[in-house]
Amino acid sequence: QVKLVESGGGVVQPGRSLRLSCVASGFTFTRYGMHWVRQAPGKGLEWVAVISDYGIDKDYADSVKGRFTISRDNSKNTLDLQMNSLRPEDTAVYYCASGAVFGAVKDYFDYWGQGTLVTVSS
Amino acid sequence: EIVLTQSPGTLSLSPGERGTLSCRASQRISNSYLAWYQQQPGQAPRLLIYGASSRAAGIPDRFSGSGSGTDFTLTISRLEPEDFAVYWCQQYASSPLTFGGGTKVEIK
Repeated sequence: QVKLVESGGGVVQPGRSLRLSCVASGFTFTRYGMHWVRQAPGKGLEWVAVISDYGIDKDYADSVKGRFTISRDNSKNTLDLQMNSLRPEDTAVYYCASGAVFGAVKDYFDYWGQGTLVTVSS
Repeated sequence: EIVLTQSPGTLSLSPGERGTLSCRASQRISNSYLAWYQQQPGQAPRLLIYGASSRAAGIPDRFSGSGSGTDFTLTISRLEPEDFAVYWCQQYASSPLTFGGGTKVEIK
């Protein structure tokens, strides 16, 4: 069955960096765009970033553009999110999610990981 | 950016009742590229509906989606105990991908 497992969350001071990872299994990873979606405590869902099936195309929410970088390693079925210059408002559960349509970057989210909590606080 | 407005914010219903959730877009969503998700407390969202009206795999037929353009609806025909949750709509017609503010369906 499809599995997405995130890791790398934790407590970090404002201005510091953190790298999240997601390991995928149970589907053909190279066929789909992969996304990060976050949810601040008690709040709604916010799409963060997407990377296309072979990593050529990337797109980001304005709130993270220039600070976050999405990447993937298709040989290892892994998705990463490098988060720099973190702010308190980046505090959230970060979900890794797979797209559902072959090759699409504007997509809905077929499968989700369980999420990893990032807390930005001094 | 397409802004999605969900209403009501909270829907209080009893098991067996019908639930109707609304999602209104600030501009037309092309190709009805709208999805619905269910989220239980402490869990990740789960895909229910895509393309405004297509049920995802394994989703019971008491869930149905409808609508086009700027107005979309998720209907739960007869609420089961496990249906009490938060529901989110999401558009994937244009970047940035956006979600609505959510509707909480609670037990009356």
